[in-house]
Amino acid sequence: KNQVEQSPQSLIILEGKNCTLQCNYTVSPFSNLRWYKQDTGRGPVSLTIMTFSENTKSNGRYTATLDADTKQSSLHITASQLSDSASYICVVSDRGSTLGRLYFGRGTQLTVWP
Amino acid sequence: EADIYQTPRYLVIGTGKKITLECSQTMGHDKMYWYQQDPGMELHLIHYSYGVNSTEKGDLSSESTVSRIRTEHFPLTLESARPSHTSQYLCASSESKGQEKTYEQYFGPGTRLTVT
Repeated sequence: KNQVEQSPQSLIILEGKNCTLQCNYTVSPFSNLRWYKQDTGRGPVSLTIMTFSENTKSNGRYTATLDADTKQSSLHITASQLSDSASYICVVSDRGSTLGRLYFGRGTQLTVWP
Repeated sequence: EADIYQTPRYLVIGTGKKITLECSQTMGHDKMYWYQQDPGMELHLIHYSYGVNSTEKGDLSSESTVSRIRTEHFPLTLESARPSHTSQYLCASSESKGQEKTYEQYFGPGTRLTVT
């Protein structure tokens, strides 16, 4: 069964600190992995997208890594800001269908305190 | 900022009413999607469309229906709303790029539906 598991479920950090969110997946055949940021009451916004051949990708203070062999990914946030408070969702796409079906994790709820 | 819009943003309605959730995108994307999301849970695909006059059911069974008469418009309809339909409904659109299917999906802001 294709699944995406994220940890931790929730995380509280102080402003200015770094943090790392984890994602494990069993989706096969793998096509790509994305990280989305979803603010409360809003739709998800893409942060990064990585294919099988990419190990790391950055978007400002966000850096995602991918280990396709162990089927793990992480999202590292540097020098957190209050605006980083949101749910971070790991999404994996398979290559087994024309649609490129997306499998969503439940997200990590990040809260940044001043 | 993605050019994809959903209305209404919030809707509270009584059981048995017919409702239509609107979704429009101005990016000319061929593919459009509807997802359902409950608090703290993952998004579930309920409908998708490859283009005009194309609609398919997603992974999660839903009593809703969709139509795609125009490229930019993908409305979702519930003929008779029930409390079990209370949820957040997210619309998205995308275009395919190359063979890796690394298409970007752009999401609308969502409609929070409450059926009393």
